[in-house]
Amino acid sequence: QVQLVQSGPEFKRPGASVKVSCKASGTTNTMYYIHWMRQAPGQGLEWMGWIDTNNGDTNYPQNFQGLITFTWDTSVSTAFLELSSQMPDDTAFYFCASGGLYDFWTRYYAFDYWGKGTLVTVSS
Amino acid sequence: QSALTQPASVSGSPGQSITISCTGTTRNIGTYNLVSWYRQRPGEAPKLILYEVNKRPSGVSDRFSGSKSGNTASLTISGLQAEDEADYHCCTYAGSTTSFGTGTKVTVL
Repeated sequence: QVQLVQSGPEFKRPGASVKVSCKASGTTNTMYYIHWMRQAPGQGLEWMGWIDTNNGDTNYPQNFQGLITFTWDTSVSTAFLELSSQMPDDTAFYFCASGGLYDFWTRYYAFDYWGKGTLVTVSS
Repeated sequence: QSALTQPASVSGSPGQSITISCTGTTRNIGTYNLVSWYRQRPGEAPKLILYEVNKRPSGVSDRFSGSKSGNTASLTISGLQAEDEADYHCCTYAGSTTSFGTGTKVTVL
């Protein structure tokens, strides 16, 4: 079992950056990737990419490239999502998640472990 | 813009069965069985209920079943219960990209 604990809510002015954390505990040696998703109020989930907890490799979809940065601190088993130049339409819950329990491919789309989400509010 | 299209809402009475569709393309659902489904209750994180189209993780009720035809995957909930009222999201992986559906709100009448 893996537990993912995320940092608390954030309030930011437009143009500011924000860093959200996701601390993993439990059988973290079974983790492969930490994925990040966001969910605007009343909307569906949007995939933001992943970081490989074994070597730090990252994968960002094109629409987020240059706007977000994933890091993984092995010493504290914590993943970080940094969002730059936030705008009001970036207001959303940001979730970290991990999977890969069943076969190779499930690390990419079947997420058994989720953080509770971090609300980031961007407003002037 | 989501790569996967779901109906905005589906409703049913207790005990009935409902089906939620998730329509993709030949580049994702039409070619690969890498489809998962999540249930998300208000104020909670999503919970995995199906993967690889129709496989249930341990502990998930057998009232949840999945199927696929062409570019469309489907989630069926049998014996609808009040506790099934939630948002449901499909998800797929193809071409180095993970994609979620637009989400479906299930209402138990």
